[in-house]
Order: sequence, then structure tokens, then C-alpha cells
Amino acid sequence: DTEVTQTPKHLVMGMTNKKSLKCEQHMGHRAMYWYKQKAKKPPELMFVYSYEKLSINESVPSRFSPECPNSSLLNLHLHALQPEDSALYLCASSQASGRGARDEQFFGPGTRLTVL
Amino acid sequence: AQRVTQPEKLLSVFKGAPVELKCNYSYSGSPELFWYVQYSRQRLQLLLRHISRESIKGFTADLNKGETSFHLKKPFAQEEDSAMYYCALKGGTSYGKLTFGQGTILTVHP
Repeated sequence: DTEVTQTPKHLVMGMTNKKSLKCEQHMGHRAMYWYKQKAKKPPELMFVYSYEKLSINESVPSRFSPECPNSSLLNLHLHALQPEDSALYLCASSQASGRGARDEQFFGPGTRLTVL
Repeated sequence: AQRVTQPEKLLSVFKGAPVELKCNYSYSGSPELFWYVQYSRQRLQLLLRHISRESIKGFTADLNKGETSFHLKKPFAQEEDSAMYYCALKGGTSYGKLTFGQGTILTVHP
């Protein structure tokens, strides 16, 4: 399996809801990433996990809570979101998060989130 | 701070014409530069990286440290090259962080 998968493809939620986005890879990668992408804008890094430990948090609001239960799974827990959080959320993985050939990032198709 | 600038939001060429997508970066150390491509209804994927110095789908890109540029070039554009192209930079101690440019939408007309 050489793909990053993300579920659900689409999610609509209210501002008081709690929901989770899921990301999975079976390529043996030890680094996983969450990005946020607004329409017609580039992806913006949110979090990086390296060897199941959070290594980068780009000052993301606490209403977004990442979790890496094992090396293949990455979750993003959502609570009390705002309408401006509506975006495409991309997951990516790489063999490692350092420099060099092992750090090519493979992206998932994304979850399109709408907050009402 | 690291920054990537892609000055053209839109670029249109005819099939068979040369194409150059511009990318300039700002970074004080030794960056790693990448080009990512997103075809219609497909996921974002790596096209090429400067350390590989390879040609992918006829595209090449040379890192010019003097001009802090990493322009993407192809001598003869094809219709299937139409896509969104992002230049991205990785550097610093936060090696996991990719900083993307704003992207250029390339349209190749028949």
C-alpha cells in the first residue's frame, strides 16, 4: 500500500460539535503531518509528528487537537470550531522528518471540512 | 524566516511552447527546494527536488543560490501539464516544515 488515506472525504459540523479526522498510511513512515488548505491557497503546516511524538505545532488553536496513536495512524480531533476553520485538511507522511531523500512527503486526498 | 514567492498566479502557453514557472525564496541557510504539482481532482504530489537534479516528465529546475531562485522549466509543454504547481522550501532546525509558495496555475492550450 503506497497511499495515504483520509476519512471522511467531506465533513459538515456545527460549532458545538466534536468530530475527528483520520489519516492512515502503511508505508512504514515515521513522520506524519497535518496541513490546512483554504481555497486557492497553498497548504499551511499545522502539526508534525515524528516517531509518534509531536515535534512541531505551528501555534494552532487548541480547538484542534492532534493525536498519533501508532506509527500508521494520525487523528485530528475537532471541538468548538469556527466557520473560518472551514478548509481542506491534508495529511501527509514521510519516512522521516529530517533532511535528505527519506523525507519526501506523500499527501492524502484531504478532508473537506465545513463548519456551520 | 523562510519565504517562497511565485510571482505568477496564472500562466498560459500553447502546446509545444517552452514554459518557465518562477520561484524565488528567502532563507539564510542552505535550503532544500521542491516543486509539487496538483492535477485536477488529484492529490498533491512531489514533482522534483533540487538535490536529485533529475528531470521528471520533461521538467527540470536548477537551484540558483546567487539569485535565490528555483525556476521550473520545460522546453515543450503538453496539455497534460496543465495543473497547479507549488514551489516549496524546507530549512532550518524544523526540518519537517515545508513552506509553500502561493502556487501557479499552468494552462497549456492545444
